[in-house]
Amino acid sequence: EPEVTQTPSHQVTQMGQEVILRCVPISNHLYFYWYRQILGQKVEFLVSFYNNEISEKSEIFDDQFSVERPDGSNFTLKIRSTKLEDSAMYFCASCLRGSYEQYFGPGTRLTVT
Amino acid sequence: AQSVAQPEDQVNVAEGNPLTVKCTYSVSGNPYLFWYVQYPNRGLQFLLKYITGDNLVKGSYGFEAEFNKSQTSFHLKKPSALVSDSALYFCAVRVYNFNKFYFGSGTKLNVKP
Repeated sequence: EPEVTQTPSHQVTQMGQEVILRCVPISNHLYFYWYRQILGQKVEFLVSFYNNEISEKSEIFDDQFSVERPDGSNFTLKIRSTKLEDSAMYFCASCLRGSYEQYFGPGTRLTVT
Repeated sequence: AQSVAQPEDQVNVAEGNPLTVKCTYSVSGNPYLFWYVQYPNRGLQFLLKYITGDNLVKGSYGFEAEFNKSQTSFHLKKPSALVSDSALYFCAVRVYNFNKFYFGSGTKLNVKP
C-alpha cells in the first residue's frame, strides 16, 4: 500500500537555525498538508497546498514558515529561524482530490535547543 | 471561529463492552467530519468520515459514528471493544469549500482485558 514518507525522523537544531522538513506524498494525491503536534497533544493545522500554491494557512504559519514542492514528488516545510517553541512533531499528509481522507506520514520530531 | 471539542481526555472500557468517544464541533457552514486514530510514535490513520447522506457512517476496524446536526456532534462508537483498540483518537472537521482541517485535542482510549 502506498505511504507518505517523511525525512528525517528526528532533527535536532539550535535556536535561530533554518530547518527543512521533507515529505514525499502519495504519488497520485493532489492536496498536501503540514500539521504539528506538541508532546502528543492537539494536532494543529499549519498549511494546505494545492496546484503549486498555498490554499489555506493557520495563524501559526507566519513569515518564518514556507512550503515548496520543488519537483514532482517532494513537499517541503522550511522554518527560517527556529524558536524553542517550534519543538514538536511535524506531520505531512496528502489526499486525493474529492476524497478528503488524509494519509499521514510518520512524522519528523523537531527538537530546538 | 471553527472548533472541535473532545470533552474526555481519556475513556476506559473493558474488552467486549461497547465504547463511545465523544466529539462536538462548531463551524459556520456545512461540516465534513472525520475520525482518526494514532498509535504510539505513529502518524494519524483515517477511520471514517461524514460528508453527506446517511447520518450513521461505518469505517475501519468495526468503528462507526453518528452525525447529529441538532446537537453538532459526531461521536465515535464500536459495539465491542478490543484491547488492540487502545490508542489516541482524534475528531476533525473541515468546512465545505475551505481546505483547512480543525482537530480536537484527542481522547485516549484504554481497553482493559
